[in-house]
Amino acid sequence: GNSVTQMEGPVTLSEEAFLTINCTYTATGYPSLFWYVQYPGEGLQLLLKATKADDKGSNKGFEATYRKETTSFHLEKGSVQVSDSAVYFCALSPMNTGNQFYFGTGTSLTVIP
Amino acid sequence: GAVVSQHPSWVICKSGTSVKIECRSLDFQATTMFWYRQFPKQSLMLMATSNEGSKATYEQGVEKDKFLINHASLTLSTLTVTSAHPEDSSFYICSARGHRNTEAFFGQGTRLTVV
Repeated sequence: GNSVTQMEGPVTLSEEAFLTINCTYTATGYPSLFWYVQYPGEGLQLLLKATKADDKGSNKGFEATYRKETTSFHLEKGSVQVSDSAVYFCALSPMNTGNQFYFGTGTSLTVIP
Repeated sequence: GAVVSQHPSWVICKSGTSVKIECRSLDFQATTMFWYRQFPKQSLMLMATSNEGSKATYEQGVEKDKFLINHASLTLSTLTVTSAHPEDSSFYICSARGHRNTEAFFGQGTRLTVV
């Protein structure tokens, strides 16, 4: 079946620290992989995505590389800011499912000045 | 990216009443819409998938008579929580996808509190 396993939080970092949030997946075929961010009281916003193996998604300083050999899509940012404080969800969408999503449990990130 | 608007963003209702949540795609035609439910500090769980003009497909364990989904047009889907109870209190999020989109776009979510 399809599932996403995400690093549990919460994660607390100081400003300008390096961030890694681990995400691994199980899927049949070749899914698309996503990172979504949810700011307090808001819905989900797409942060970045990758649709095939070895693709790197990037946005706002965040990066994630689609690693088929390790079935991973770890999120990284070299220098976090207070404004990055949010909940981050890793998700996959299997091929030919009309964009049904399977989400990880979410990782809460708090960045302190 | 495309815009999906969800309304209301926050609602409180009395136990036993029904609540309707709207999900609109503002600048594209949404052939498929998804409804998710998010419990506190948990991930999103897919409730149902709806295609315009046809009945929604519900995930296992979701009561279709309690969570009525209507997708009558290419820009609007509604979720009605019937005879709401406190355990229905949750954050409900819709997402929409057009036939040319490779991704689904999410609404802002609706926080429902049943008292």
